[in-house]
Amino acid sequence: DVKVTQSSRYLVKRTGEKVFLECVQDMDHENMFWYRQDPGLGLRLIYFSYDVKMKEKGDIPEGYSVSREKKERFSLILESASTNQTSMYLCASSFRTSLNYEQYFGPGTRLTVT
Amino acid sequence: GESVGLHLPTLSVQEGDNSIINCAYSNSASDYFIWYKQESGKGPQFIIDIRSNMDKRQGQRVTVLLNKTVKHLSLQIAATQPGDSAVYFCAEIGGTSYGKLTFGQGTILTVHP
Repeated sequence: DVKVTQSSRYLVKRTGEKVFLECVQDMDHENMFWYRQDPGLGLRLIYFSYDVKMKEKGDIPEGYSVSREKKERFSLILESASTNQTSMYLCASSFRTSLNYEQYFGPGTRLTVT
Repeated sequence: GESVGLHLPTLSVQEGDNSIINCAYSNSASDYFIWYKQESGKGPQFIIDIRSNMDKRQGQRVTVLLNKTVKHLSLQIAATQPGDSAVYFCAEIGGTSYGKLTFGQGTILTVHP
């Protein structure tokens, strides 16, 4: 079974703190993604990576950065957390093939910024 | 179906009924579609997918229908069970997008025993 794990299920941080969200997958997937999920807005793509050290901006990259130093690990960084970054953060991974675009999701990290 | 705004569409059904969840997409270049199910407190889980060269695909108790003419996708769940209660998302992909899916906003399905 594919497993995507996220470092925390719940996280509470203060405004201005630097926040690291970690994601690890065990299926040797090339692609990894970070989404945020807010009520009524669905899943919005923050950043994705299609290979080690490669990254592409998604739809809402402002206020975030990412790091992919190893194939299995994709980190989301909030350089200076703000209250409008309170959200559910979902990590996903997939193969880089046109035969199957299925993304496998982690359980999510619910981040609260106070 | 899917809609823009803060309130998710909802569907309430009785256990044993069939459910139909709709999704409209806007990108005529989209050539692959997925339905995901998200239970409370969990990440989305894959249900079924369909490519644009098909108009119907069946899985276990689920059927996806694709109408490219009107850019509409539906998920049919047969004999709906309380365990089917969740938020359902459609997602699409098309062109050279490195596997990036575009998600709809979701529909809340509630199944009453």
